[in-house]
Amino acid sequence: QSVLTQPPSTSGTPGQSVTISCSGSSSNIGSNAVYWYQQLPRTAPKLLIYRNNQRPAGVPDRFSGSKSGTSASLAISGLRSEDEADYYCVTWDGSLSVVIFGGGTKLSVL
Amino acid sequence: EVQLVESGGDLAKPGGSLRLSCAASGFTFSNAWMTWVRQIPGKGLEWVGRIKNDETTDYAAPVKGRFTLSRDDSRATVYLQMNSLKTEDTALYYCATGPENVRSSLWLDLWGQGTLVTVSS
Repeated sequence: QSVLTQPPSTSGTPGQSVTISCSGSSSNIGSNAVYWYQQLPRTAPKLLIYRNNQRPAGVPDRFSGSKSGTSASLAISGLRSEDEADYYCVTWDGSLSVVIFGGGTKLSVL
Repeated sequence: EVQLVESGGDLAKPGGSLRLSCAASGFTFSNAWMTWVRQIPGKGLEWVGRIKNDETTDYAAPVKGRFTLSRDDSRATVYLQMNSLKTEDTALYYCATGPENVRSSLWLDLWGQGTLVTVSS
């Protein structure tokens, strides 16, 4: 059971929008930046969002991040089949002094 | 070419030891914070630990006291010494790092391909 709570799965159809939530506490999300990673099947994770809402070069603007209080969200608009992957939120936990990953959310594009 | 290449994964017995290596190239390794993340097949990602450029280390609770990170800047390589291995350490182990001007264990934009550790009797 991760300290950061994500829904195990979500789905959408091509062109739709989906949002993946990440719930934490004051010691982690509440006081530190959130990062999001995408992991396609059988590949290493890829940085999708850094510092809550910033996109690295090359990440489409269909992906956006936000944070409010002790929760963060990843929004994906204009779903495409290639978005089918696992998505993880990550942050630092000041009480535990460790990096923590959310449990991951499997996105299916139907 | 900017890359990280892990090696050293193998089959080990419970209670045994393994040393993983992560060789870096294409960037200034001596400035880099290096992070290890593992993934049990079919499961989520788990942070293992990090070693900063000043050799300061931090570890996740499940591995603290059993795993040790070290680095050799002359070889641009980071090592993960894994002792007292448990079956639950079975996983694909990734090393990762971030941009040269960023000191962070969260901002990981360069990953290796992973090396598989299997702990079984």
